[in-house]
Amino acid sequence: RKEVEQDPGPFNVPEGATVAFNCTYSNSASQSFFWYRQDCRKEPKLLMSVYSSGNEDGRFTAQLNRASQYISLLIRDSKLSDSATYLCVVNPIYNQGGKLIFGQGTELSVKP
Amino acid sequence: DTAVSQTPKYLVTQMGNDKSIKCEQNLGHDTMYWYKQDSKKFLKIMFSYNNKELIINETVPNRFSPKSPDKAHLNLHINSLELGDSAVYFCASSLSRGGQLNYGYTFGSGTRLTVV
Repeated sequence: RKEVEQDPGPFNVPEGATVAFNCTYSNSASQSFFWYRQDCRKEPKLLMSVYSSGNEDGRFTAQLNRASQYISLLIRDSKLSDSATYLCVVNPIYNQGGKLIFGQGTELSVKP
Repeated sequence: DTAVSQTPKYLVTQMGNDKSIKCEQNLGHDTMYWYKQDSKKFLKIMFSYNNKELIINETVPNRFSPKSPDKAHLNLHINSLELGDSAVYFCASSLSRGGQLNYGYTFGSGTRLTVV
């Protein structure tokens, strides 16, 4: 089983749609959780951290379910500029040099 | 000012050559990393350095040798390049508080290595 698993997509949605991405992780001792965004031929950039209580940043909402080892990202009112690959990222073990494990990414394409 | 800068951006070289990639960060972070992103887009950690000390060496061939002269720099030297080394190599940095990573990484823009 992969340490972090995501549906690779692609997700093709019209502008204005709501889209949800899911991710599962295997290590129950995992400490920190993130969503990154990667545009084509660019570096990954931090979109948002994910907290146990859930958190929102504008049109983006992230949720964490530690019992199910499940992370989600909801994007409301999709924009063309949201087209990118979304990476689910987990910091698996405390005090291990800050290692992050990346999922394979979910590709999103927002169409006019 | 670029926070994490890598050079070169593109590198095309023949099999068997030796090459280096340089990375510098001006964020005051204490930990730096090399990640490899292959053709299937998977990002995998190669090395991690904390305050110039090697923390993670993730079963990378000996042909890859990282060097950290100070905590703001982490270079990657690759000997005897092989076709399978073709990938995008990303440098990243982070601030680890008490061993816990709360704020994620900042990545450099990547070095696209093509071995022919």
